[in-house]
Amino acid sequence: DQQVKQNSPSLSVQEGRISILNCDYTNSMFDYFLWYKKYPAEGPTFLISISSIKDKNEDGRFTVFLNKSAKHLSLHIVPSQPGDSAVYFCAASPKTGANNLFFGTGTRLTVIP
Amino acid sequence: NAGVTQTPKFRVLKTGQSMTLLCAQDMNHEYMYWYRQDPGMGLRLIHYSVGEGTTAKGEVPDGYNVSRLKKQNFLLGLESAAPSQTSVYFCASSPRTSGSRYNEQFFGPGTRLTVL
Repeated sequence: DQQVKQNSPSLSVQEGRISILNCDYTNSMFDYFLWYKKYPAEGPTFLISISSIKDKNEDGRFTVFLNKSAKHLSLHIVPSQPGDSAVYFCAASPKTGANNLFFGTGTRLTVIP
Repeated sequence: NAGVTQTPKFRVLKTGQSMTLLCAQDMNHEYMYWYRQDPGMGLRLIHYSVGEGTTAKGEVPDGYNVSRLKKQNFLLGLESAAPSQTSVYFCASSPRTSGSRYNEQFFGPGTRLTVL
């Protein structure tokens, strides 16, 4: 059973506008949440993360919001750029010693110039 | 630094054949992982290792074996390949956790395996 869900397989946004990618999770034991970005024929690369004790983390154009009561997190990209076009994976980790990650199915973002 | 490298990049096997995928990292990371990515499924953890000589099962371990004889290498073996193991395989590594800090995983470029 998928513990981390990304219900939107794809998203198209105009350059300069905001991109909002959503993620839901079911396991209340998840303690840390991450977003990875993946280009074709490459491995995922880490983008931004948030601990369960926070509700927002910002890094340049990227902001992640966490709503623990709703078991929902989102990634905001402002302004969106054509180079942001990629597949974005949401991932979550329980509070264990091995950093194990549970991934969502991914959302393909296309930023239109 | 090369980061995480995977060998080979592509492979085609016939059902019943065996093979080993090699993962190497030069970041002196304690933890290493093997994932598979299938269409519509995201990445799923196969096996992982928290140190040299130790391995553990992930979400989907059946049909695979692993070994971590050296800290920098993590091998994934398929003893008798099946078409259901057609997938893209990713290796990752991360530093050891310390206190409440979470250390993100660094991924290799992947191996595309097809089993006919």
